[in-house]
Amino acid sequence: DAGVIQSPRHEVTEMGQEVTLRCKPISGHDYLFWYRQTMMRGLELLIYFNNNVPIDDSGMPEDRFSAKMPNASFSTLKIQPSEPRDSAVYFCASSMDWAREQYFGPGTRLTVT
Amino acid sequence: RKEVEQDPGPFNVPEGATVAFNCTYSNSASQSFFWYRQDCRKEPKLLMSVYSSGNEDGRFTAQLNRASQYISLLIRDSKLSDSATYLCVVSSGGYNKLIFGAGTRLAVHP
Repeated sequence: DAGVIQSPRHEVTEMGQEVTLRCKPISGHDYLFWYRQTMMRGLELLIYFNNNVPIDDSGMPEDRFSAKMPNASFSTLKIQPSEPRDSAVYFCASSMDWAREQYFGPGTRLTVT
Repeated sequence: RKEVEQDPGPFNVPEGATVAFNCTYSNSASQSFFWYRQDCRKEPKLLMSVYSSGNEDGRFTAQLNRASQYISLLIRDSKLSDSATYLCVVSSGGYNKLIFGAGTRLAVHP
């Protein structure tokens, strides 16, 4: 079985540009999570979906961030416009229930210059 | 007080040593507990779930102490390949999400 798939693996962009990160969860998992990890703040939950519906977006830093899940096998996290402080590793994870173990994708390492 | 607290380490131990990490949590309503392992520049990976009765997986033993609100991870006969950051994960008990600790770094040396 394929695990969680994320693309791109690395993204380097200039401040002000739009960035779109993509995630394909494990088939059959009803929950999808977006996290951001930095040295300073550790692993932060940005938003999560249940059956394609956003449940908790309280971790989304500001209006520049948006996330969608148009179907059970695809989600995007968009940053527009990007800023240098958005530089981090963004992980997508999926699980069968919010309280069950989560499986992480390999992450997207974002650098905004 | 943070919801989940871990000693950041690093714990520097020789091969073959036994090492233990503790993790405290603040919400007594938490029901799910896990240990994850994260290698440098990689994603967190599930190491083991933590059950009320305690559980063991090879060289790894996890225990839960609800009265004192902590979980522990014991690693016996440490290998070089055990060097990683170990993340304690606890369900939020009311906010329907898992809370990840900041991690404890382990370095096993020859």
